[in-house]
Amino acid sequence: QKEVEQNSGPLSVPEGAIASLNCTYSDRVSQSFFWYRQYSGKSPELIMSIYSNGDKEDGRFTAQLNKASQYVSLLIRDSQPSDSATYLCAVRISGGYNKLIFGAGTRLAVHP
Amino acid sequence: EPEVTQTPSHQVTQMGQEVILRCVPISNHLYFYWYRQILGQKVEFLVSFYNNEISEKSEIFDDQFSVERPDGSNFTLKIRSTKLEDSAMYFCASSEELLQETQYFGPGTRLLVL
Repeated sequence: QKEVEQNSGPLSVPEGAIASLNCTYSDRVSQSFFWYRQYSGKSPELIMSIYSNGDKEDGRFTAQLNKASQYVSLLIRDSQPSDSATYLCAVRISGGYNKLIFGAGTRLAVHP
Repeated sequence: EPEVTQTPSHQVTQMGQEVILRCVPISNHLYFYWYRQILGQKVEFLVSFYNNEISEKSEIFDDQFSVERPDGSNFTLKIRSTKLEDSAMYFCASSEELLQETQYFGPGTRLLVL
């Protein structure tokens, strides 16, 4: 069974701080990795995608991928209360036509 | 900005009844998906659809489930005889390409089976 693991949290950070969210995956040959944000009762909203080892930055968000360690992370700089949500890590696994395997998500709480 | 839409937003049904959940994917997208999320649990893949046929399905997607693209815009998920455990949020998603693609999710249909 190919798995995606995340710490469920909650991760509590003060406003303006850096939030660091982590994800590990079991399928060594996975190629595509995604971070989605999900507010309570809403659908997943794409934050970032990453396909190559290293860092990818988009505004306040940085995704980091280390395929050797089977690890992907998301950094949120200058965290805002509006960033409070559950962050879902999703992996497109090898051998699957196109399905995404999701982690259970990490709940982030940014307090003023 | 184009988006995936889903109807209805909420559906309440009696156990054993058939339900049809509807989705309109983003217009130039070719790949369509259904996922579900039971309250408090992970988002789970149900099925992917391309070129008018199922390309992959999960163990959850048994004979009670079917998908269809009845016209050029709609994509539907039918549950033939609903069970209590089918109560969940159902998300439709679409993507433009297969590799290195992004799947965009609709707002979801909350299904409650009584």
